[in-house]
Amino acid sequence: GENVEQHPSTLSVQEGDSAVIKCTYSDSASNYFPWYKQELGKGPQLIIDIRSNVGEKKDQRIAVTLNKTAKHFSLHITETQPEDSAVYFCAGGYQKVTFGIGTKLQVIP
Amino acid sequence: GEEVAQTPKHLVRGEGQKAKLYCAPIKGHSYVFWYQQVLKNEFKFLISFQNENVFDETGMPKERFSAKCLPNSPCSLEIQATKLEDSAVYFCASSHLADGYEQYFGPGTRLTVT
Repeated sequence: GENVEQHPSTLSVQEGDSAVIKCTYSDSASNYFPWYKQELGKGPQLIIDIRSNVGEKKDQRIAVTLNKTAKHFSLHITETQPEDSAVYFCAGGYQKVTFGIGTKLQVIP
Repeated sequence: GEEVAQTPKHLVRGEGQKAKLYCAPIKGHSYVFWYQQVLKNEFKFLISFQNENVFDETGMPKERFSAKCLPNSPCSLEIQATKLEDSAVYFCASSHLADGYEQYFGPGTRLTVT
């Protein structure tokens, strides 16, 4: 089955700086890679996703890149704000997704 | 509705008791997924449905876990004879797309087994 590895496990940035979270996957059949933001006590919120026929996707301050050859994908958040503080999960798969272990992002005002 | 609804929010059961969790997918979504999140943030896939049909149950502990999605009823996840290690937050997600795309999650049910 699919194995998704995510790093770092924690990340602290100053408000206004950029944050980057990286993930790798093992199954070359995986074709869908969503990113979720989970705030304390809430369910994961889908913030952006990318399919394997695309190398990059951007939505305002959030962007995701995918390198199929190397089997890795990354989340980039620019101009971070305190409300970006949360746990971020990458996931990948085909017909079902496997989650990474999460990155706790802290944006320091 | 426009959001995935899960009930109850919290559930406490003594070891050996039955637990039943409910999920109402977003209206119009044909696909439902159940996940278990344990304390270390790890998400474990349990089962998925396409309408009332089981699509993938490879993550289900078969001895004590069962799930259903019946027409015109909330989906349910039932755990017979709960064990301490079943303590977790159980999330339901739904999608209108096949292949696991665009899953939208509910707020979860926190199950505590004492």
